[in-house]
Amino acid sequence: NAGVTQTPKFRVLKTGQSMTLLCAQDMNHEYMYWYRQDPGMGLRLIHYSVGEGTTAKGEVPDGYNVSRLKKQNFLLGLESAAPSQTSVYFCASRTSGTDTQYFGPGTRLTVL
Amino acid sequence: GIQVEQSPPDLILQEGANSTLRCNFSDSVNNLQWFHQNPWGQLINLFYIPSGTKQNGRLSATTVATERYSLLYISSSQTTDSGVYFCAVAGYETSGSRLTFGEGTQLTVNP
Repeated sequence: NAGVTQTPKFRVLKTGQSMTLLCAQDMNHEYMYWYRQDPGMGLRLIHYSVGEGTTAKGEVPDGYNVSRLKKQNFLLGLESAAPSQTSVYFCASRTSGTDTQYFGPGTRLTVL
Repeated sequence: GIQVEQSPPDLILQEGANSTLRCNFSDSVNNLQWFHQNPWGQLINLFYIPSGTKQNGRLSATTVATERYSLLYISSSQTTDSGVYFCAVAGYETSGSRLTFGEGTQLTVNP
C-alpha cells in the first residue's frame, strides 16, 4: 500500500512549455485534490474531483487543467507554464467515509 | 469563503518545553484538521477534530466550534517536532469538503 504518490518529484520548465503532473492513490478513494504551496504560505486548492470522470475548480484554477479518467489517478496539466506557477504541488485524496485527507510527497516545479 | 488565522507565526522552543498553537476561523465548520509539515516537506495528518478534544501521545487538540477556534498542544517538545503546523477547515456549505488552510506556525525546537 503506497498511499498517495506523485510523479515527478522535481521539474524545471521554460516559460511557455507544457507538462502534466500525475497523482496516483491505491486506497480506492473517491475524492482527490490538487494544491499548490508558495513560500511562507499555506496550501491553496487548484482543482478537485469527487469521483471518477468528475472535476471542479478550487480557489486558484487559472492556468491549470485536470482530468480524472481513472479512479486512482488525478492529472494536473499546465498548458503554457508561467513563472508565477513556480511552486510546490501537493496531491491529496480521501474516502467518502471520512474527512481526513492524505497527502502525497509533493512535486517541486520551477518555471524559468 | 472561510478565513483561517494561525498564531503565533513563529515559535522557538528548547527541547522539553510545552507549547500551544492557535487556529481561529471565521465561520462554522464541519471539518477541521491539523497537519505537520516536516522539514522535508511531507504533510502528515495529526488530528481530524471539528469539535471536542483528542489526544495522541504528546500531542492533543481541542476545538471549541461555538467560539470558532482550535488549539494544538505539544508537550515535552522534541527536535523532531520542528516544522510547520497547519490548521485547515471546511465549512458546511463547502462542496467536496474542500479545505482552506491557514498560513501555518513555524516551530523550531532546539536541543
